Amino acid sequence: DAKTTQPNSMESNEEEPVHLPCNHSTISGTDYIHWYRQLPSQGPEYVIHGLTSNVNNRMASLAIAEDRKSSTLILHRATLRDAAVYYCILRDVSYQKVTFGTGTKLQVIP
Amino acid sequence: DAGVTQSPTHLIKTRGQQVTLRCSPKSGHDTVSWYQQALGQGPQFIFQYYEEEERQRGNFPDRFSGHQFPNYSSELNVNALLLGDSALYLCASSLQDPRGEQYFGPGTRLTVT
Repeated sequence: DAKTTQPNSMESNEEEPVHLPCNHSTISGTDYIHWYRQLPSQGPEYVIHGLTSNVNNRMASLAIAEDRKSSTLILHRATLRDAAVYYCILRDVSYQKVTFGTGTKLQVIP
Repeated sequence: DAGVTQSPTHLIKTRGQQVTLRCSPKSGHDTVSWYQQALGQGPQFIFQYYEEEERQRGNFPDRFSGHQFPNYSSELNVNALLLGDSALYLCASSLQDPRGEQYFGPGTRLTVT
């Protein structure tokens, strides 16, 4: 499986933008980039996904590097409710298997 | 829509016993995946069911087995429990499309003593 690398933890002030990086240098052409987050005592929650182009939805934006070897999840205005572990995941279009790494624990400071 | 539901919420078993965990997918979803999440780790893929068959499997021994019913609900069975099987077991439902999102349930916390 292609793997992802994320920082173990990050901090952000409330109401400020947050950029969560993810490296995936061994990504293949058929891998989609997915982001999930897991709030304390809950199951993971889908955030966003993309293939090549940048993507926006109501929760966040996903910026994908031109060579696709890295991506950045952008939370435009962090709130205390955004404090969670964020996982960057690669999903091969041929398979349903999803491999989670250890993720980035985001702390939001009021 | 109730989303993905799992039962039971918590479970305590003794080493060597067998356990069955249950999952009801989100309405309209036909694919169920199971994950094991140890404390402080990311979820690890166990297997996935679609059309009542196991379609993908992660690196888990045969002690882990499952089943999917015609109504798309699913069970995860673990035989000969080991202390190391203590974890949060997550069920996720989706459509049979790797590009789509998975919806996770709240999980079942299994403790093996």
